[in-house]
Amino acid sequence: EVQLVQSGAEVKKPGATVKISCKVSGYTFTDYCIHWVQQAPGKGLEWVGLIDPEDDETIYAEKFQGRVTITADTSTDTAYMELSSLRSEDTAVYYCAIVWFGKLNWFDPWGQGTLVTVSS
Amino acid sequence: EIVLTQSPGTLSLSPGERATLSCRASQSVSSRHLAWYQQKPGQAPRVLIYGADSRATGIPDRFSGSGSGTDFTLTISRLEPEDFAVYYCQQYGSSPTFGQGTKVEIK
Repeated sequence: EVQLVQSGAEVKKPGATVKISCKVSGYTFTDYCIHWVQQAPGKGLEWVGLIDPEDDETIYAEKFQGRVTITADTSTDTAYMELSSLRSEDTAVYYCAIVWFGKLNWFDPWGQGTLVTVSS
Repeated sequence: EIVLTQSPGTLSLSPGERATLSCRASQSVSSRHLAWYQQKPGQAPRVLIYGADSRATGIPDRFSGSGSGTDFTLTISRLEPEDFAVYYCQQYGSSPTFGQGTKVEIK
Protein backbone atom coordinates (compact mmCIF):
# COMPACT_ATOMS: atom_id res chain seq x y z
CA GLU A 1 0.00 0.00 0.00
CA VAL A 2 1.31 3.41 -0.97
CA GLN A 3 1.49 5.81 1.97
CA LEU A 4 2.63 9.38 2.41
CA VAL A 5 3.15 10.38 6.04
CA GLN A 6 3.83 14.02 6.77
CA SER A 7 5.50 15.66 9.75
CA GLY A 8 3.54 17.32 12.53
CA ALA A 9 2.12 20.80 12.92
CA GLU A 10 4.47 23.76 13.16
CA VAL A 11 4.15 27.22 14.71
CA LYS A 12 6.56 29.84 13.41
CA LYS A 13 7.10 33.56 13.80
CA PRO A 14 6.96 35.95 10.85
CA GLY A 15 10.24 35.98 8.96
CA ALA A 16 11.20 32.47 10.05
CA THR A 17 11.70 29.36 7.91
CA VAL A 18 9.76 26.10 8.13
CA LYS A 19 10.73 22.71 6.74
CA ILE A 20 8.16 19.94 6.58
CA SER A 21 8.62 16.37 5.50
CA CYS A 22 6.73 13.72 3.56
CA LYS A 23 7.90 10.13 4.03
CA VAL A 24 6.70 7.71 1.41
CA SER A 25 6.40 3.94 1.41
CA GLY A 26 4.95 1.21 -0.75
CA TYR A 27 6.75 2.06 -4.00
CA THR A 28 10.18 2.97 -5.35
CA PHE A 29 10.78 6.56 -4.25
CA THR A 30 12.76 7.60 -7.33
CA ASP A 31 10.16 6.35 -9.80
CA TYR A 32 7.59 9.12 -9.37
CA CYS A 33 7.37 12.86 -8.78
CA ILE A 34 6.12 14.45 -5.59
CA HIS A 35 4.12 17.67 -5.54
CA TRP A 36 3.26 20.08 -2.75
CA VAL A 37 -0.06 21.93 -2.40
CA GLN A 38 -1.08 24.76 -0.06
CA GLN A 39 -4.54 25.18 1.46
CA ALA A 40 -5.14 28.28 3.60
CA PRO A 41 -7.85 27.99 6.28
CA GLY A 42 -11.27 27.81 4.66
CA LYS A 43 -9.76 28.36 1.22
CA GLY A 44 -9.01 26.38 -1.93
CA LEU A 45 -5.99 24.49 -3.17
CA GLU A 46 -2.86 26.11 -4.60
CA TRP A 47 0.02 24.28 -6.23
CA VAL A 48 3.43 25.02 -4.69
CA GLY A 49 5.87 22.93 -6.70
CA LEU A 50 7.26 19.52 -7.51
CA ILE A 51 10.39 17.41 -7.34
CA ASP A 52 11.51 14.46 -9.40
CA PRO A 53 13.50 12.38 -6.87
CA GLU A 54 15.30 10.56 -9.67
CA ASP A 55 17.30 13.62 -10.73
CA ASP A 56 16.25 16.26 -8.15
CA GLU A 57 14.69 18.44 -10.86
CA THR A 58 12.33 20.94 -9.29
CA ILE A 59 9.64 23.21 -10.69
CA TYR A 60 8.05 25.90 -8.55
CA ALA A 61 4.88 27.94 -8.89
CA GLU A 62 5.64 31.56 -9.69
CA LYS A 63 3.92 32.71 -6.47
CA PHE A 64 6.39 30.78 -4.32
CA GLN A 65 9.52 31.09 -6.47
CA GLY A 66 12.42 32.42 -4.42
CA ARG A 67 10.93 31.42 -1.05
CA VAL A 68 10.35 27.70 -1.46
CA THR A 69 12.85 24.86 -1.74
CA ILE A 70 11.75 21.28 -2.35
CA THR A 71 14.27 18.51 -1.80
CA ALA A 72 14.32 14.72 -1.71
CA ASP A 73 16.40 12.32 0.37
CA THR A 74 16.63 8.99 -1.39
CA SER A 75 18.29 7.35 1.62
CA THR A 76 15.13 7.82 3.69
CA ASP A 77 12.48 8.02 0.94
CA THR A 78 11.48 11.44 2.22
CA ALA A 79 10.62 14.66 0.42
CA TYR A 80 10.89 18.05 2.08
CA MET A 81 9.37 21.46 1.52
CA GLU A 82 11.10 24.48 3.02
CA LEU A 83 9.38 27.87 3.00
CA SER A 84 11.28 30.94 4.10
CA SER A 85 10.48 34.55 5.02
CA LEU A 86 7.19 33.35 6.48
CA ARG A 87 4.28 35.76 6.71
CA SER A 88 0.78 35.40 8.10
CA GLU A 89 -0.59 34.56 4.66
CA ASP A 90 1.51 31.38 4.68
CA THR A 91 -0.64 29.97 7.48
CA ALA A 92 -2.08 26.90 5.80
CA VAL A 93 -2.19 23.15 5.57
CA TYR A 94 0.48 21.86 3.19
CA TYR A 95 -0.05 18.53 1.42
CA CYS A 96 2.35 16.32 -0.48
CA ALA A 97 1.03 14.10 -3.25
CA ILE A 98 2.32 11.66 -5.84
CA VAL A 99 2.08 11.88 -9.60
CA TRP A 100 2.44 8.44 -11.17
CA PHE A 101 3.26 9.22 -14.78
CA GLY A 102 5.55 12.02 -15.82
CA LYS A 103 5.87 15.30 -13.96
CA LEU A 104 2.41 16.71 -14.55
CA ASN A 105 -0.61 14.51 -13.95
CA TRP A 106 -3.35 14.03 -11.42
CA PHE A 107 -2.37 13.77 -7.76
CA ASP A 108 -2.99 10.43 -6.08
CA PRO A 109 -2.64 9.73 -3.23
CA TRP A 110 -2.08 12.68 -0.89
CA GLY A 111 -0.42 12.91 2.48
CA GLN A 112 -2.51 13.75 5.54
CA GLY A 113 -1.38 17.37 5.53
CA THR A 114 0.79 19.51 7.81
CA LEU A 115 -0.59 22.66 9.43
CA VAL A 116 1.83 25.57 9.48
CA THR A 117 0.78 28.52 11.63
CA VAL A 118 2.63 31.82 11.29
CA SER A 119 2.00 34.08 14.23
CA SER A 120 3.91 36.55 16.32
CA GLU B 1 -1.57 30.42 -16.04
CA ILE B 2 -4.86 28.68 -16.75
CA VAL B 3 -7.61 29.98 -14.44
CA LEU B 4 -10.37 27.52 -13.57
CA THR B 5 -13.77 28.88 -12.53
CA GLN B 6 -16.20 26.51 -10.84
CA SER B 7 -19.93 26.98 -10.58
CA PRO B 8 -22.04 27.10 -8.61
CA GLY B 9 -20.18 28.01 -5.45
CA THR B 10 -22.65 26.01 -3.37
CA LEU B 11 -25.14 23.38 -4.43
CA SER B 12 -27.96 22.54 -1.98
CA LEU B 13 -29.48 19.16 -2.79
CA SER B 14 -31.14 16.21 -1.10
CA PRO B 15 -29.85 12.63 -1.02
CA GLY B 16 -30.90 10.79 -4.15
CA GLU B 17 -30.82 13.92 -6.32
CA ARG B 18 -28.51 14.52 -9.26
CA ALA B 19 -25.62 16.98 -8.89
CA THR B 20 -24.06 18.77 -11.83
CA LEU B 21 -20.86 20.73 -11.20
CA SER B 22 -19.20 22.95 -13.79
CA CYS B 23 -15.56 23.88 -14.34
CA ARG B 24 -14.64 26.45 -16.98
CA ALA B 25 -11.04 27.14 -18.04
CA SER B 26 -9.64 30.48 -19.19
CA GLN B 27 -7.97 28.69 -22.10
CA SER B 28 -8.15 25.25 -23.63
CA VAL B 29 -6.93 22.43 -21.38
CA SER B 30 -4.54 20.31 -23.40
CA SER B 31 -5.33 16.63 -23.99
CA ARG B 32 -8.21 16.83 -21.56
CA HIS B 33 -5.75 17.04 -18.65
CA LEU B 34 -8.50 17.73 -16.16
CA ALA B 35 -9.13 16.03 -12.82
CA TRP B 36 -11.81 16.27 -10.15
CA TYR B 37 -11.20 15.86 -6.41
CA GLN B 38 -13.46 15.44 -3.42
CA GLN B 39 -12.50 16.89 -0.05
CA LYS B 40 -14.27 16.32 3.25
CA PRO B 41 -13.63 18.43 6.37
CA GLY B 42 -10.30 17.66 7.99
CA GLN B 43 -9.25 15.31 5.20
CA ALA B 44 -6.92 15.49 2.25
CA PRO B 45 -8.47 15.66 -1.21
CA ARG B 46 -8.93 12.42 -3.10
CA VAL B 47 -9.07 12.05 -6.85
CA LEU B 48 -12.39 11.04 -8.42
CA ILE B 49 -11.85 11.64 -12.14
CA TYR B 50 -8.76 12.13 -14.30
CA GLY B 51 -8.35 12.69 -18.03
CA ALA B 52 -11.71 14.50 -17.88
CA ASP B 53 -13.78 11.30 -17.87
CA SER B 54 -11.82 8.39 -16.37
CA ARG B 55 -12.87 7.23 -12.91
CA ALA B 56 -10.06 6.65 -10.46
CA THR B 57 -9.67 3.27 -8.79
CA GLY B 58 -12.43 2.51 -6.32
CA ILE B 59 -14.66 5.45 -7.27
CA PRO B 60 -18.36 4.50 -7.59
CA ASP B 61 -19.92 4.72 -11.01
CA ARG B 62 -22.41 7.35 -9.86
CA PHE B 63 -19.53 9.78 -10.40
CA SER B 64 -18.88 10.72 -14.02
CA GLY B 65 -16.88 13.39 -15.80
CA SER B 66 -17.25 14.92 -19.23
CA GLY B 67 -16.10 17.82 -21.33
CA SER B 68 -13.17 19.09 -23.36
CA GLY B 69 -11.49 22.31 -24.36
CA THR B 70 -12.61 24.88 -21.80
CA ASP B 71 -15.80 23.34 -20.38
CA PHE B 72 -15.92 20.36 -18.05
CA THR B 73 -18.61 18.79 -15.89
CA LEU B 74 -18.68 16.46 -12.91
CA THR B 75 -21.99 14.66 -12.46
CA ILE B 76 -23.09 12.69 -9.41
CA SER B 77 -26.08 10.72 -10.60
CA ARG B 78 -27.70 10.05 -7.21
CA LEU B 79 -26.28 11.72 -4.14
CA GLU B 80 -25.41 9.45 -1.25
CA PRO B 81 -24.98 10.89 2.28
CA GLU B 82 -21.19 10.50 2.02
CA ASP B 83 -21.06 12.63 -1.17
CA PHE B 84 -21.75 15.90 0.62
CA ALA B 85 -18.36 17.58 0.44
CA VAL B 86 -16.33 20.15 -1.48
CA TYR B 87 -15.29 19.34 -5.05
CA TYR B 88 -12.34 20.83 -6.92
CA CYS B 89 -11.35 20.66 -10.54
CA GLN B 90 -7.67 20.77 -11.50
CA GLN B 91 -5.87 21.13 -14.80
CA TYR B 92 -2.46 19.53 -15.15
CA GLY B 93 -1.70 20.23 -18.80
CA SER B 94 0.61 23.02 -17.75
CA SER B 95 1.60 24.50 -14.37
CA PRO B 96 -1.15 22.92 -12.24
CA THR B 97 -4.05 25.07 -11.13
CA PHE B 98 -7.26 24.35 -9.21
CA GLY B 99 -10.74 25.80 -9.31
CA GLN B 100 -12.03 27.55 -6.21
CA GLY B 101 -14.31 24.64 -5.32
CA THR B 102 -18.03 23.79 -5.23
CA LYS B 103 -19.59 22.83 -1.92
CA VAL B 104 -22.34 20.25 -2.18
CA GLU B 105 -24.48 20.58 0.94
CA ILE B 106 -27.56 18.85 2.26
CA LYS B 107 -30.75 20.75 1.53
